[in-house]
Amino acid sequence: DGGITQSPKYLFRKEGQNVTLSCEQNLNHDAMYWYRQDPGQGLRLIYYSQIVNDFQKGDIAEGYSVSREKKESFPLTVTSAQKNPTAFYLCASMTGDNGPQHFGDGTRLSIL
Amino acid sequence: GQNIDQPTEMTATEGAIVQINCTYQTSGFNGLFWYQQHAGEAPTFLSYNVLDGLEEKGRFSSFLSRSKGYSYLLLKELQMKDSASYLCAVMDSNYQLIWGAGTKLIIKP
Repeated sequence: DGGITQSPKYLFRKEGQNVTLSCEQNLNHDAMYWYRQDPGQGLRLIYYSQIVNDFQKGDIAEGYSVSREKKESFPLTVTSAQKNPTAFYLCASMTGDNGPQHFGDGTRLSIL
Repeated sequence: GQNIDQPTEMTATEGAIVQINCTYQTSGFNGLFWYQQHAGEAPTFLSYNVLDGLEEKGRFSSFLSRSKGYSYLLLKELQMKDSASYLCAVMDSNYQLIWGAGTKLIIKP
């Protein structure tokens, strides 16, 4: 079955640590996105990539980094510079310019 | 600035009809999306409107008026499993989605 796989489902970060969230899709979609969702708020865009080896900052990119070395993969690193990382992180992909975005199951990140 | 407004919470009765409104102000418009999100889960796509009018999909319908910057999602024959948050999102001139905060729908027996 085609889909988007995010791992891990739950992740805990220690002070000063970088952590990487995985996102893999086998839908052959060109565009991939990372969002952060906090309680009572809409999804906020962290980074997006419309093609391999290229990515753009979203509205809240500070403290995060990404790579897009393969079409299928778009990992997100939450660095120690992100002082408030506790949130639900969602990866999405999309085909074409204005198709619906499809989401992975999300990763819930907490601070130890 | 860009803005999407939806009610924070609504309550309805099983078997009834509910309308969830969404108003928007964005830089350009390339379509409006509705998503359903159950607690602790990812959003799932429900509907897409790019032209004015009503789109019907089973128990769910979505309406768009571009001149008014307004959409609604209509849910008929409500079931307990429809208890979820409903997210409105508008695709702007850069083909980026601008998201509302979501409407939490509570269904009572």
